[in-house]
Amino acid sequence: DTEVTQTPKHLVMGMTNKKSLKCEQHMGHRAMYWYKQKAKKPPELMFVYSYEKLSINESVPSRFSPECPNSSLLNLHLHALQPEDSALYLCASSQGRPGQGRGYEKLFFGSGTQLSVL
Amino acid sequence: AQKVTQAQTEISVVEKEDVTLDCVYETRDTTYYLFWYKQPPSGELVFLIRRNSFDEQNEISGRYSWNFQKSTSSFNFTITASQVVDSAVYFCALSERGTGTASKLTFGTGTRLQVTL
Repeated sequence: DTEVTQTPKHLVMGMTNKKSLKCEQHMGHRAMYWYKQKAKKPPELMFVYSYEKLSINESVPSRFSPECPNSSLLNLHLHALQPEDSALYLCASSQGRPGQGRGYEKLFFGSGTQLSVL
Repeated sequence: AQKVTQAQTEISVVEKEDVTLDCVYETRDTTYYLFWYKQPPSGELVFLIRRNSFDEQNEISGRYSWNFQKSTSSFNFTITASQVVDSAVYFCALSERGTGTASKLTFGTGTRLQVTL
């Protein structure tokens, strides 16, 4: 079983709706990630939080708003999305140990939220 | 810029056959990390292996083995005696060493493996 839990598993929303995706881990990891994956494509990095601070934003449109309320939780707030934003949204975490150097860590992924924007 | 190429889009094999998934990478860094992840139909990516650029030792884990060749910038993955449960999409990924505490992966396009009875 995955140790990164994502809710909901499926979400259908209209372009004027506001919704949130939730991700939770209890492994004591201090780095958390949002990835977007379109069908038959590799995951694309969106955001990275390190010690609850946003450390990477891959030029993601402002209609996606991440939030890391504490070290175990990661949210992705969605507003005014477009149909092309329909995708699988994956959350991941890694230990985030200082001094290890970016690149070394293995990521633990959740099962994702399958989002459909109508 | 980093790049990972998985030329095989889809592979179909019959159970018990051996299969090799190819991965070729490009990077200007001397220190980097290579990964393989498995994505079953359930969606989550599962970590399989990590290799750093200074460790060219091949590795075997049960039916899985990996061949890292720096001279050809390849990091190939072999499944011996494949099983239906191996059916999944397999991603090769490359990560740079840098500062900070998080990882930034460049994924290949993935290889879909279908194992049939």
